Amino acid sequence: DIQMTQSPSTLSAFVGDRVTITCRASQSINNWLAWYQQKPGKAPRLLIYKASSLQSGVPSRFSGSGSGTEFTLIITSLQIEDFATYYCHQYKSFQWTFGQGTKVEIK
Amino acid sequence: EVQLVESGGGLVKPGGSLRLSCSASGFTFSNYNMNWVRQAPGKGLEWVSSITTRSSFMYYADSVQGRFIISRDNAKNSLYLQMNSLRAEDTAVYYCVREAATAWGQGSLVTVSS
Repeated sequence: DIQMTQSPSTLSAFVGDRVTITCRASQSINNWLAWYQQKPGKAPRLLIYKASSLQSGVPSRFSGSGSGTEFTLIITSLQIEDFATYYCHQYKSFQWTFGQGTKVEIK
Repeated sequence: EVQLVESGGGLVKPGGSLRLSCSASGFTFSNYNMNWVRQAPGKGLEWVSSITTRSSFMYYADSVQGRFIISRDNAKNSLYLQMNSLRAEDTAVYYCVREAATAWGQGSLVTVSS
């Protein structure tokens, strides 16, 4: 199975900060990577697909980059509604795997 | 509008069975591979099972292999997950997810407890 290592596990930030979350795959997944935002009691919300494509309706302050094994999610100018947990997800193979999650908290 | 609606969750005793359903609308269901993903309370996301468009291939996580069966009915735009020999560690919200994770249902809670 492809392992996904996401960091950090928790992140404290101020409103307006630039936030970076990274995800590393145990083998190349080309660009078959997605990023999600999840709030308590809700289903994951797709933010980024194919590593860097912004899902329709998602604010442009979210961006994704990377290919192969190293990927990054950046949130420029963090807003109050962005405090949530974020997951990366590889879908190169049928046996999907997810990162452990990054909880973004208010500082 | 693309929609995935899960149903069939509930409380079941250890060793029992449950069948989840997912009703799809707003897209050509038969053109997409489909998946189940679960999330235990307070935990991360875990892939459970996948099925190809014509049910030619099914894939399972090691944790459910031999106990769960994924199936689909393209004529009814529906995806299913038959869960047998349920264990406490199967307690989770189960999500129906379209190929490449481009659409998720709202989830169905399965609680395994005596």
